[in-house]
Amino acid sequence: KNEVEQSPQNLTAQEGEFITINCSYSVGISALHWLQQHPGGGIVSLFMLSSGKKKHGRLIATINIQEKHSSLHITASHPRDSAVYICAVQPHRDDKIIFGKGTRLHILP
Amino acid sequence: DGGITQSPKYLFRKEGQNVTLSCEQNLNHDAMYWYRQDPGQGLRLIYYSQIVNDFQKGDIAEGYSVSREKKESFPLTVTSAQKNPTAFYLCASREERGSYNEQFFGPGTRLTVL
Repeated sequence: KNEVEQSPQNLTAQEGEFITINCSYSVGISALHWLQQHPGGGIVSLFMLSSGKKKHGRLIATINIQEKHSSLHITASHPRDSAVYICAVQPHRDDKIIFGKGTRLHILP
Repeated sequence: DGGITQSPKYLFRKEGQNVTLSCEQNLNHDAMYWYRQDPGQGLRLIYYSQIVNDFQKGDIAEGYSVSREKKESFPLTVTSAQKNPTAFYLCASREERGSYNEQFFGPGTRLTVL
């Protein structure tokens, strides 16, 4: 079993829909990251979370440390949100990040 | 602005040639990392360095080499011994001091070996 699991693996939605991507992990962590990767493009860091909730524009990230779970939400989704979203965790007392396999999001106009 | 620079964004090389990917950070971070991404897989650790002049192999170090002569630079060389070098390469850096924890990611380099 992977230490970081993302769901769904692939998601196609219509423009304007509310999007939720989930990340579950099995190790104790000091922080969790959400990253965005556009097709053929590079990585953009969206959020780093250690507790609670963060918001940036139409993006919201939440984390529940006790349940070892985080969600990334996109409100009023737009075709430009189409990308791969990657969850990554920093385990306690280990400097090696563990990455999820990513969720491929496609927003249709 | 502080951050990590990887250049170029896209890199093409002929089979059998060594190629060096650049990673520079101006964050004064001690630790730096190289990861590789293949289609449908999560990023995997190639090499990491926790301090200048020291580095350790990650999970998939075969066919790669690194150096850490300066704190701000951690170049990765993809050698001809790497059987499947075409991939996306991501550099990252980290600083952890007590309860303070800062992690940054570079934009990545997509290497295509022809």
